[in-house]
Amino acid sequence: IQLTQSPSSLSASVGDRVTITCRTSQTINGYLNWYQQKPGKPPKLLIYGGSTLQSGVPSRFSGVGSGTDFSLTISSLQPEDFATYYCQQSYVTSQLTFGGGTKVEI
Amino acid sequence: EVQLVESGGGLVQPGGSLRLSCATSGFTFSDYWVNWVRQAPGRGLEWVANMKPDASEINYSDSVRGRFTISRDNAKKSLSLQMNSLRAEDSAVYYCARDGFTTNTFDYWGRGTPVTVSS
Repeated sequence: IQLTQSPSSLSASVGDRVTITCRTSQTINGYLNWYQQKPGKPPKLLIYGGSTLQSGVPSRFSGVGSGTDFSLTISSLQPEDFATYYCQQSYVTSQLTFGGGTKVEI
Repeated sequence: EVQLVESGGGLVQPGGSLRLSCATSGFTFSDYWVNWVRQAPGRGLEWVANMKPDASEINYSDSVRGRFTISRDNAKKSLSLQMNSLRAEDSAVYYCARDGFTTNTFDYWGRGTPVTVSS
């Protein structure tokens, strides 16, 4: 299953609303996760099952989607949110795949 | 506190072998699927392999199948990745990651160990 994220990068300001999309090559029944990664650090799980917020993740992060189209929204960008975001399909255990990433820059 | 700590990375020549290890603590290791995920320099994330708690199911990405072997020791709470016939394109930071309560969702990660394949 191929995952296509867009945009690959974006520039935004503190307080902006930011949306990242992830399109899958086939339907995945909502089995879509989002991760945040900062330079030199491992990824951090933000959202699983398309829309469920991982414990401890701020509520300004939200995820929606179904079928093959999913999105991650940050309602009001904070300084600590500048990072790279990845989607990942968790539908096929034997061939897990990630999107190419979206870098959110100032 | 859940912890995963990788070790064993380094510089290896093309065609060579390397064995990575991941020591875990803070959770019942034998209850969880575990994974290896890698990230080439400046690139995105690539899932490498996973293994069921009782080792009855193992999966590999197409890019490493036949060359890499994942294994686990539930008594020692550790995970390993034996990498053979290494290629330049295998150069990456290798992370071990735990599946959470939701299948195939990586809720805890190690800090990674770097592997460089070069002559």
